[in-house]
Amino acid sequence: TQLLEQSPQFLSIQEGENLTVYCNSSSVFSSLQWYRQEPGEGPVLLVTVVTGGEVKKLKRLTFQFGDARKDSSLHITAAQPGDTGLYLCAGARGANNLFFGTGTRLTVIP
Amino acid sequence: NAGVMQNPRHLVRRRGQEARLRCSPMKGHSHVYWYRQLPEEGLKFMVYLQKENIIDESGMPKERFSAEFPKEGPSILRIQQVVRGDSAAYFCASSPQTSGRLTYNEQFFGPGTRLTVL
Repeated sequence: TQLLEQSPQFLSIQEGENLTVYCNSSSVFSSLQWYRQEPGEGPVLLVTVVTGGEVKKLKRLTFQFGDARKDSSLHITAAQPGDTGLYLCAGARGANNLFFGTGTRLTVIP
Repeated sequence: NAGVMQNPRHLVRRRGQEARLRCSPMKGHSHVYWYRQLPEEGLKFMVYLQKENIIDESGMPKERFSAEFPKEGPSILRIQQVVRGDSAAYFCASSPQTSGRLTYNEQFFGPGTRLTVL
């Protein structure tokens, strides 16, 4: 049973388009993190959201934590080829392990 | 993920051999986590350690797998008598110790060790 479901699983868009990736769960998390992973590398932490309803912006990336702290979204404005990668959400319940989502593989075509 | 070091980056073993994966956490971090990633899948938690203690090993197979984080030196993930199904990327992450609850649990990942079992 997958605790965190991400959608879409695959996304291929043209440079300059906008996109949203969703991360959904029936469980509540104390915090939620978004990572980007490139082939052959480890995940790189993009952002951590903690408070229900919280919105964080990182340049062209906007992250939102759901009011009930069960889901999150990542919105990318004017996507660029450098945004290509595997985007992973991960929920935390205290100090122990992170529960990773299924991942969204994004390809931005120049 | 700068600062978390894993070696080797690639490891090839024949069935029945032992695999030893090493992880040096970021400076100042005392919490280490090991994850396994199969191709085209997300990361699956294996074990969480602090110095000289295993805190949570609920994701680690009961047989053939073990982990340690000694007082001195790197954390080691050891897989005995490897089988083809052990082929995967193994990632180590570390997080800092805080005075209070690790509510945020921000983890920083190493580059991984890609294990191939022939």
